[in-house]
Amino acid sequence: GAVVSQHPSWVICKSGTSVKIECRSLDFQATTMFWYRQFPKQSLMLMATSNEGSKATYEQGVEKDKFLINHASLTLSTLTVTSAHPEDSSFYICSASKVAKNIQYFGAGTRLSVL
Amino acid sequence: AQKVTQAQTEISVVEKEDVTLDCVYETRDTTYYLFWYKQPPSGELVFLIRRNSFDEQNEISGRYSWNFQKSTSSFNFTITASQVVDSAVYFCALSERWETSGSRLTFGEGTQLTVNP
Repeated sequence: GAVVSQHPSWVICKSGTSVKIECRSLDFQATTMFWYRQFPKQSLMLMATSNEGSKATYEQGVEKDKFLINHASLTLSTLTVTSAHPEDSSFYICSASKVAKNIQYFGAGTRLSVL
Repeated sequence: AQKVTQAQTEISVVEKEDVTLDCVYETRDTTYYLFWYKQPPSGELVFLIRRNSFDEQNEISGRYSWNFQKSTSSFNFTITASQVVDSAVYFCALSERWETSGSRLTFGEGTQLTVNP
């Protein structure tokens, strides 16, 4: 199999606080993980590519100081939304790609609501 | 630059009808992968198929079939005898790098399929 676990599935936080989202590959090692953002009824927008042991590569327009990504092991990547604001409310989805395999397997997503 | 177009925003069918979801792509690379993913209301994207650019054979998996035509840059997806559980958003995607795990996906806008009983 290729199971990717994402936690939490849903989070509500106050404006100004930070939120951490975890993405784990449960039954395979992932050299690369991806973080996407999805607005209602829209496609997925790639935010950043995360490689184990190195700094993440952010897409144009994504603030790296606001969306902190850490990929400390071959099975775990985290996205921290710092000083969250209501406009950060969205659906965040991670994916993981097996070593030397070009298929991304997705987590179930995290719905973030910032009050 | 690569681009994926899913012209059908929404499709509604009655159960047991066949339905085809269209996908047209643009790329300058000669080697690439094409994908279909399903996103049910729960939100998780489910991998359905990957096809490499050198393999134009059509593929069938149960009620699902895929028609890859390089000449028209299309990778269409057909569901035969649709069921209510097929209701979801379906995304077509393109990856331009070959056999590497760090390849970015370019997604189409998605097609919302609703299968009514």
